[in-house]
Amino acid sequence: AQSVTQLDSHVSVSEGTPVLLRCNYSSSYSPSLFWYVQHPNKGLQLLLKYTSAATLVKGINGFEAEFKKSETSFHLTKPSAHMSDAAEYFCVVSVNDMRFGAGTRLTVKP
Amino acid sequence: KAGVTQTPRYLIKTRGQQVTLSCSPISGHRSVSWYQQTPGQGLQFLFEYFSETQRNKGNFPGRFSGRQFSNSRSEMNVSTLELGDSALYLCASSLERGAAADTQYFGPGTRLTVL
Repeated sequence: AQSVTQLDSHVSVSEGTPVLLRCNYSSSYSPSLFWYVQHPNKGLQLLLKYTSAATLVKGINGFEAEFKKSETSFHLTKPSAHMSDAAEYFCVVSVNDMRFGAGTRLTVKP
Repeated sequence: KAGVTQTPRYLIKTRGQQVTLSCSPISGHRSVSWYQQTPGQGLQFLFEYFSETQRNKGNFPGRFSGRQFSNSRSEMNVSTLELGDSALYLCASSLERGAAADTQYFGPGTRLTVL
């Protein structure tokens, strides 16, 4: 069985400050892990993907995530938030099918 | 390359009716998956089709069904609509089968409202 928990339903940061979106996963097998972003009234866009290669994964728009097996975590970070980063972010664990976290809404204040 | 397209984008139906949603994957992609997104339940996996065969199914009642055509286009059907079926239905395509092995690319979704 596999599952994913996003630890914060809402994160608010100021523009130019770091972003941290937290994700813990549970899986009986070595999973693939993803972060997707969803802007209002849009589909999901892939930010980055981990598939057992490098533990630090770089994605689009300056985002990156680190896979920590000992902590079963896959937190998403960005050094400096931009107004356009405001959106819903989903952490996903996948073995046979994709299991989505509940999502974290990121608000960026000017 | 064109992305995943879904038609229609918006639908309004009444309880008891049935509905068919369509998804055209990215050219060359052979796997199509469907998801339901609601405020209460979040994103839930419905089913995956690969080479015209259903390969994986989520925990949804039999009123939800789908199919895939030889050109990889897919349709999903919901019969006897209930109010709780109101949701954003997302389609995703990937090159090969199995979400674990491949990146899924999502369409913009079909917003279904059941009155």
